[in-house]
Amino acid sequence: DTGVSQDPRHKITKRGQNVTFRCDPISEHNRLYWYRQTLGQGPEFLTYFQNEAQLEKSRLLSDRFSAERPKGSFSTLEIQRTEQGDSAMYLCASSLDPGHYYEQYFGPGTRLTVT
Amino acid sequence: AQSVAQPEDQVNVAEGNPLTVKCTYSVSGNPYLFWYVQYPNRGLQFLLKYITGDNLVKGSYGFEAEFNKSQTSFHLKKPSALVSDSALYFCAVSGGSQGNLIFGKGTKLSVKP
Repeated sequence: DTGVSQDPRHKITKRGQNVTFRCDPISEHNRLYWYRQTLGQGPEFLTYFQNEAQLEKSRLLSDRFSAERPKGSFSTLEIQRTEQGDSAMYLCASSLDPGHYYEQYFGPGTRLTVT
Repeated sequence: AQSVAQPEDQVNVAEGNPLTVKCTYSVSGNPYLFWYVQYPNRGLQFLLKYITGDNLVKGSYGFEAEFNKSQTSFHLKKPSALVSDSALYFCAVSGGSQGNLIFGKGTKLSVKP
């Protein structure tokens, strides 16, 4: 399967714990995006990478969130000191460059539940 | 700021009938518009996009969308609905050169036999 993969698919954690999600994009795609989707809403943009450079961060990405894409391949999204409001589906997508022209391919998402 | 609106939370259609899922947009500059579909417990799947050119765009699974600049609309259509088309549909606009997508709230399509 050469699509976008995400791991884990589900994560349940207690408030205050740290969590890390991984995204493996389509190999030839140099753009990688993270989105967050809550129930009844469309996905909301969090951040994006062009190769290994993180070029844009949404105001939704608080200081507790950090993302990396070492070597321009897979990416990780870490949430520190999780809060109940962080419960959501976290989606990763990748595309060719320039990003506004090409469609994004989405992974299945990581569903985070903070108890 | 770029935005899209999907005025209908749900659309109900009988199988075999034509379907339309509505989307209007607000952008500064050229609109780059997309439709995605989301099935339960699955990721978003790309259906079609409008970048430039013909106002009628054809996409996957028999779907098409009509770009209307004067009405700032990009409605999704299909001539004959299938029960398997039942899903959540999202309209999106590109947020600019960075390419992040700005999504509508989604429209739940229900196709009954």
